[in-house]
Amino acid sequence: QVQLVQSRGEVKKPGASVKVSCKASGYTFRNYGLNWVRQAPGQGLEWMGWINTHSANAHYEPKFQGRVTMTTDTSTSTAYMELTSLRSDDTAIYYCGRDYLRDSSSWLPIDYWGQGTLVTVSS
Amino acid sequence: SSELTQPPSVSVSPGQTARITCSGDALPKEYTYWYQQKSGQAPVLVIYEDSKRPSGIPARFSGSTSETMATLTISGAQVEDEADYYCCITDSSSYVFGGGTKLTVL
Repeated sequence: QVQLVQSRGEVKKPGASVKVSCKASGYTFRNYGLNWVRQAPGQGLEWMGWINTHSANAHYEPKFQGRVTMTTDTSTSTAYMELTSLRSDDTAIYYCGRDYLRDSSSWLPIDYWGQGTLVTVSS
Repeated sequence: SSELTQPPSVSVSPGQTARITCSGDALPKEYTYWYQQKSGQAPVLVIYEDSKRPSGIPARFSGSTSETMATLTISGAQVEDEADYYCCITDSSSYVFGGGTKLTVL
């Protein structure tokens, strides 16, 4: 069965960076794009960006451009999302999620989600 | 970029029909997707491409669209359907979630 298992939660100080991992299993990793979505406490869902797991090309929501980097390691079927210059309002649960259709050249809605990684930014 | 508007809350009694709406100018051009998110859990896709149900989603969940409004209908809502529901659309330049609707079933 399809599974996306994310790294454990982290506590970071303002100005630091965080790198969240998302390990895929149960399907061919390179066949489906990967999205990153975050959810601040008590708030809604916010899309951060998408990576083409075949070409490793990434697209970022303009709000995060310059602070976020999405990468993949196809040898381990793992995607990564790094966010730099953290602020208190980056405190959120970060989710990875698979495109619901394979071989897409652009981002798609998510069919399978990781369990989420809580990133807390606090001095 | 596109915006999607949902009512903050909907409340029904068990067995009643719950309808959650999502409005936006882009809806006539793009498919609508619906997610259910129970407290403390990751979202789950319940409707894709306006009206299709993924395997494992109960038949009481259905979706429809009409011009600039999409509707998620839960026929005979059950206590376990209590959750936040989000609509979502994507296009070549954006990926948008609605603000979410809290469904209370009691």
